[in-house]
Amino acid sequence: GAVVSQHPSWVICKSGTSVKIECRSLDFQATTMFWYRQFPKQSLMLMATSNEGSKATYEQGVEKDKFLINHASLTLSTLTVTSAHPEDSSFYICSARDHRLAKNIQYFGAGTRLSVL
Amino acid sequence: AQTVTQSQPEMSVQEAETVTLSCTYDTSESDYYLFWYKQPPSRQMILVIRQEAYKQQNATENRFSVNFQKAAKSFSLKISDSQRGDAAMYFCAYRTTSGSRLTFGEGTQLTVNP
Repeated sequence: GAVVSQHPSWVICKSGTSVKIECRSLDFQATTMFWYRQFPKQSLMLMATSNEGSKATYEQGVEKDKFLINHASLTLSTLTVTSAHPEDSSFYICSARDHRLAKNIQYFGAGTRLSVL
Repeated sequence: AQTVTQSQPEMSVQEAETVTLSCTYDTSESDYYLFWYKQPPSRQMILVIRQEAYKQQNATENRFSVNFQKAAKSFSLKISDSQRGDAAMYFCAYRTTSGSRLTFGEGTQLTVNP
């Protein structure tokens, strides 16, 4: 099946620093990628929809200046958590939509655990 | 707005037995997609099964099958011959045919007992 690579899998950073998370579709082109946040034992919360070559669409309540999304190519989207604080500590997951044929399925990265000290 | 509800926060099953996970949804659309995703302890989301609403036949993938009741807006997942590797959080999800975003349920934590 289609593979989505997410890197890094775990990052620890100091409060006030910025962290970049990469999401790559390895064997298909993804015009649309998604960024989710997940708290322990909870469901996935959509943060934003990333569209190649255009600005991301953020969900209500998500600070776009805090969570910068760039989708510069058909296989890469990045999420930058700017000036991270302990409350930003969470599990972040990306997904990419495979538009090929009639599949139209979202495939997920393995997630990134962010710990802000 | 579409909503997805999983009323069972936790379920358990004995190895080799069968378990059914419930999911209901609310939508005014006539055509859409429904999914079951599995999230094991590794937290990697894995697609288990997919159902297209216009298809009356229930989807099946090996030991996994669904009971899709469109009028009742119900989409349950049946796992037969449960194995230890089936232990995971299971999420039901909905997507319109024209849209791109998934709407997830709250999840059901499945434990498989030896």
